[in-house]
Amino acid sequence: AQSVTQLGSHVSVSEGALVLLRCNYSSSVPPYLFWYVQYPNQGLQLLLKYTSAATLVKGINGFEAEFKKSETSFHLTKPSAHMSDAAEYFCAVSLQGGKLIFGQGTELSVKP
Amino acid sequence: SQTIHQWPATLVQPVGSPLSLECTVEGTSNPNLYWYRQAAGRGLQLLFYSVGIGQISSEVPQNLSASRPQDRQFILSSKKLLLSDSGFYLCAWRGPGSNQPQHFGDGTRLSIL
Repeated sequence: AQSVTQLGSHVSVSEGALVLLRCNYSSSVPPYLFWYVQYPNQGLQLLLKYTSAATLVKGINGFEAEFKKSETSFHLTKPSAHMSDAAEYFCAVSLQGGKLIFGQGTELSVKP
Repeated sequence: SQTIHQWPATLVQPVGSPLSLECTVEGTSNPNLYWYRQAAGRGLQLLFYSVGIGQISSEVPQNLSASRPQDRQFILSSKKLLLSDSGFYLCAWRGPGSNQPQHFGDGTRLSIL
């Protein structure tokens, strides 16, 4: 069965520091993986997706993620955090038929 | 381009009252449609999904129901709301192809008093 684990329910970084949000997945078939961002009282916005092309995926707002099959990971990174990056981030894996399984989310705080 | 609309944005309802939340998608045909609930401080729970008009799959037994009367319209309903129905409800759509992402509406904040 497929599942997603996000390590750390809350991550705090200083403005300008590296952002690293961790996501590990479990899948019996080659997965399709996604990162979403959610600002308070808003819906989820797609940051990036991995669909078996390049293993390093670039997304919006300067984020990128690397698919590592050997580690079953799809960690999200950004070289330099900005105050506007403060939000909740969700990793998701796609099941057959297009349903998504979401991780529990990681809240990112950015300190000035 | 495709857009998704949800309304209302916020709703306060008494226990035992009915519910109807509506979601519509523009700019695409025959989308897959989804209803999620997000409880405070928790992840997303898939409630219903639909692959076509009149086709509804329920993921969890509960006090809610869903309908798809038109290709791009998805409605979440309840005959009698419970306190436990409070939460943030999100609608999403997806195009054809299992590698396609879901796209979300802005959500409805439902508070039950």
